[in-house]
Amino acid sequence: EAGVVQSPRYKIIEKKQPVAFWCNPISGHNTLYWYLQNLGQGPELLIRYENEEAVDDSQLPKDRFSAERLKGVDSTLKIQPAELGDSAVYLCASSFGGGLTGELFFGEGSRLTVL
Amino acid sequence: AQSVTQLDSQVPVFEEAPVELRCNYSSSVSVYLFWYVQYPNQGLQLLLKYLSGSTLVESINGFEAEFNKSQTSFHLRKPSVHISDTAEYFCAVQGTGFQKLVFGTGTRLLVSP
Repeated sequence: EAGVVQSPRYKIIEKKQPVAFWCNPISGHNTLYWYLQNLGQGPELLIRYENEEAVDDSQLPKDRFSAERLKGVDSTLKIQPAELGDSAVYLCASSFGGGLTGELFFGEGSRLTVL
Repeated sequence: AQSVTQLDSQVPVFEEAPVELRCNYSSSVSVYLFWYVQYPNQGLQLLLKYLSGSTLVESINGFEAEFNKSQTSFHLRKPSVHISDTAEYFCAVQGTGFQKLVFGTGTRLLVSP
């Protein structure tokens, strides 16, 4: 069974440029998450989707970040414009049944460097 | 809201020695507790979890953790580590009832020969 797939694995951009990350969850998982992992920190939830609906986006900086999951399967996270402080690893995860018992399946992450 | 504290950012240990990675949590409601592991250049994966029942839970590769409600702890232990256990270990807590999963800052376990 294929795991959570993320792309790109690495991205280097200059500040003020836009960037997008893509995630394809495990087949059949209706819940999708985007997490932010800063260096030396644990993952922090940015947004959680139940199918197409964003049910928790309280931690998503909406002035520059946006996300979509149009068909309830894969998802895109966008940053426009990127700032130096956005350098981090962006993790996508999925689960079945809303993650009621906390078992999430993570992708390998997309590492962003903003110069 | 829930929070997790992992006081040790890095734990160096020799191969075949025992190890304990500490985790304390804070919550006003009942919780589920988890340890996730992140091997170099890989995504996080679930190592073990406590949902209910026996307070001692085990993983398939010899790790165990014990839920201690009075001390609000969920320390991870292994009696004899291998080089391949070198990784970052994250403790996580989730309040029961569709609460979000909250991670600690992680502990890097470094196993040397």
